[in-house]
Amino acid sequence: DSGVTQTPKHLITATGQRVTLRCSPRSGDLSVYWYQQSLDQGLQFLIQYYNGEERAKGNILERFSAQQFPDLHSELNLSSLELGDSALYFCASSVATAGQSPYGYTFGSGTRLTVV
Amino acid sequence: AQTVTQSQPEMSVQEAETVTLSCTYDTSESNYYLFWYKQPPSRQMILVIRQEAYKQQNATENRFSVNFQKAAKSFSLKISDSQLGDTAMYFCAFRASDAGNMLTFGGGTRLMVKP
Repeated sequence: DSGVTQTPKHLITATGQRVTLRCSPRSGDLSVYWYQQSLDQGLQFLIQYYNGEERAKGNILERFSAQQFPDLHSELNLSSLELGDSALYFCASSVATAGQSPYGYTFGSGTRLTVV
Repeated sequence: AQTVTQSQPEMSVQEAETVTLSCTYDTSESNYYLFWYKQPPSRQMILVIRQEAYKQQNATENRFSVNFQKAAKSFSLKISDSQLGDTAMYFCAFRASDAGNMLTFGGGTRLMVKP
């Protein structure tokens, strides 16, 4: 157990639907990151939050949004889902933001989203 | 923008032998960190080893070591005494030290350790 909790582990939904993925960071970590991994591909950065505020945005579609709550858990909302959105969505957390930690992240086990 | 390239989509190695996975990156940053992550069939992302760019000494973690060539922008991973449990996808990743903590990943190398 890495300490980063993602729910649900698996999600199957139809095109056009909306889903919410949840992430609880490791205790003490203030930063949360969301990544998308399509089949057998590398991870693509979506968005970062630090202590409730958006800090960095990557290749995140307008149909996708995220937020980090006061208890530091984060949610990734995916709407108007398309077949191509099927992927493994990872959440990761770290202690701090830029320049304060030489370490990599701690990843959750991911949510596998299948859009049918 | 940074890019990370892993030129070997797939590799195989016999158990107990040594294998080296290649990674090159492109950046204009002077301070950064490099990482190797392992993704076994369980899909969990596991940090294998990391290297600070300002350190000349290559990082080592048990059977895992890196060959960091800053001028060549190369960061290869050597796995010694390969074990069946090393079978996984391996991703090289880059992070600038002052750029939002975002990791940029390579496309991955699928490693198969054969008995």
